[in-house]
Amino acid sequence: EIVLTQSPATLSLSPGERATLSCRASQSVSSYLAWYQQKPGQAPRLLIYDASNRATGIPARFSGSGSGTDFTLTISSLEPEDFAVYYCQQRSNWPQITFGQGTRLEIK
Amino acid sequence: QVQLQESGPGLVKPSQTLSLTCTVSGGSISSGGYYWSWIRQHPGKGLEWIGYIYYSGSTYYNPSLKSRVTISVDTSKNQFSLKLSSVTAADTAVYYCARDTMTNRGGFDYWGQGTLVTVSS
Repeated sequence: EIVLTQSPATLSLSPGERATLSCRASQSVSSYLAWYQQKPGQAPRLLIYDASNRATGIPARFSGSGSGTDFTLTISSLEPEDFAVYYCQQRSNWPQITFGQGTRLEIK
Repeated sequence: QVQLQESGPGLVKPSQTLSLTCTVSGGSISSGGYYWSWIRQHPGKGLEWIGYIYYSGSTYYNPSLKSRVTISVDTSKNQFSLKLSSVTAADTAVYYCARDTMTNRGGFDYWGQGTLVTVSS
């Protein structure tokens, strides 16, 4: 099983700041990685697929990068609605997909 | 716009079978091109993939749950279902249904709102 480790567990920032979230895979997943945002009481929402492609309707302030084992989700300038939990998901050995444990982005 | 809606009992007794159904609207399961999935989230925890089904009935399961999971599809009702047997308190979670692509590209692009299932006597 491919294990994804997200860091930090919690990130405290203020609106307008830049957020950088990390996801590291236990083995190479090429570019087969997705990112999701989850707000309290809601289902996750697909943000990024194939490591760097924004899903439909996702604002340009969200960007993804990386390949192999190291990936980054960047939010260029935080809006109040961006404070949520973010999960990465590997799809390298689809259908045996796995998720990271999540990073909580909280208001400082 | 594709929409998914989970339904089923919110309370299940230990050792019994958890049964949930996901109703899809705004698109036909039998059109193909997508796998349909169940994912769960334990209270305050991360996401755990349970399994996939294709409209043809082809399935894939998480190895950690495979012995207890059955996912089926009813294309006439545009629904797919989850059965999880011999449940314990550790199966208490919010259960989501979601749509996925058929390959290692893409992601889960549509989700249901989720339904909380509590295992308790």
